[in-house]
Parts: sequence; C-alpha cells; structure tokens
Amino acid sequence: QKEVEQDPGPLSVPEGAIVSLNCTYSNSAFQYFMWYRQYSRKGPELLMYTYSSGNKEDGRFTAQVDKSSKYISLFIRDSQPSDSATYLCAMRNTGNQFYFGTGTSLTVIP
Amino acid sequence: ETGVTQSPTHLIKTRGQQVTLRCSSQSGHNTVSWYQQALGQGPQFIFQYYREEENGRGNFPPRFSGLQFPNYSSELNVNALELDDSALYLCASSGGVRTTDTQYFGPGTRLTVL
Repeated sequence: QKEVEQDPGPLSVPEGAIVSLNCTYSNSAFQYFMWYRQYSRKGPELLMYTYSSGNKEDGRFTAQVDKSSKYISLFIRDSQPSDSATYLCAMRNTGNQFYFGTGTSLTVIP
Repeated sequence: ETGVTQSPTHLIKTRGQQVTLRCSSQSGHNTVSWYQQALGQGPQFIFQYYREEENGRGNFPPRFSGLQFPNYSSELNVNALELDDSALYLCASSGGVRTTDTQYFGPGTRLTVL
C-alpha cells in the first residue's frame, strides 16, 4: 500500500464549477499537509498548507483535513481555465520525510 | 528576491555514467530538498540538506548522493546511471526544517538515460 493515495483523474469540469480533489493516507505520523499545483514542464507551486484537522480557506481554495479518517481534500470554487493543471497532495512526517500523491490532472473547460 | 534555480535544464546520459545536477536556493533559505519525478508520477523524496548536513533521506540507494555548500546551494550526484533514473529532478528550498517551513520548488532538470 502506498503511503499516499490520490486519484490520478483526469478530471474535466466546466468553467465556474466547484472542484473537489482528494487524498488518503495510511501513516498517522503525517503531521503537515500541503497542496501543490504543477503546470506542464514546471516545478510544483505551493497552494496551501495546514497541520491541523479542519478547514483552511484562501480565496477560491479551501483545504480540508480529517486526521481521524486520514483524508484530505482541496476544493476550488468558481473554477477558471487557468486552474487547469495537475494538483498534488503532499505530507510530511515527524521524521522529516515528504510524501507526494501521484497528482490529479484537472482541465477546466471555458 | 531570486527564486530557486536549477541547472542544466535538460541532460542526456548513457547507462553507467555519472551525473551532477545543481540547485541554487532562494535567497535567505538554508535548506534544500531533492526529489525525483517520473513521468505521470508525484515527486519522490530523495534527501534533504540543512546547513550543509543531510537531514532526512528517502528510499534511494547510496549511488544517489548530495552536497550542500556554505552558500546553501546544492548538488545531486547519481553514479552508475540506470534507465529507470530517467526523470525530472526537482530541487526545493525552504527557510528551515520546522514543520511550518514551506518548500519552494525550482523548474527541475530533465534527465534522460539511454
């Protein structure tokens, strides 16, 4: 079993839709949760991070963590064509190791 | 403020050769992490350097080694290249190793092993 599981998609939505991206994990030592966006042939760009259960909002983006279920989500409201990219969840454990999901490919259709 | 830079952008090597990839961290950052990203996969953590010392390592063999210099730039060395080493190699820098220290990624070096 992988440390972090993420549905690779691809996901295709119309402009203005709400997008839900999800990851599950198996290791309760993960303490820090991140979402990155990666455009083709570019390095990942940090979108949001959190280290506690609950919701964290930043503009059109909301990150949600449920440590009891070992489940994290990223919601994108009012999706735009410029949001088309691969979204990666990432986690850090207490041993200072980082684990990424495989990424979900998102296309927002104008 | 200068972001994370990596060189070279692309590299082609043959099996059995050795390669050195370079990373300049963002201004003010003292921590560099290296990742391998195969096509269609998420980044895999190779190791992290903090103030010139290795500070965490993923499941990569010893032929993957690194260095961090006093100016906090870093090198990734890979010996005895294998075909499966073909990937995008990403460097990320951060201001420290605390849980709240965010990593900022460079554009990567694409390595092809023939």
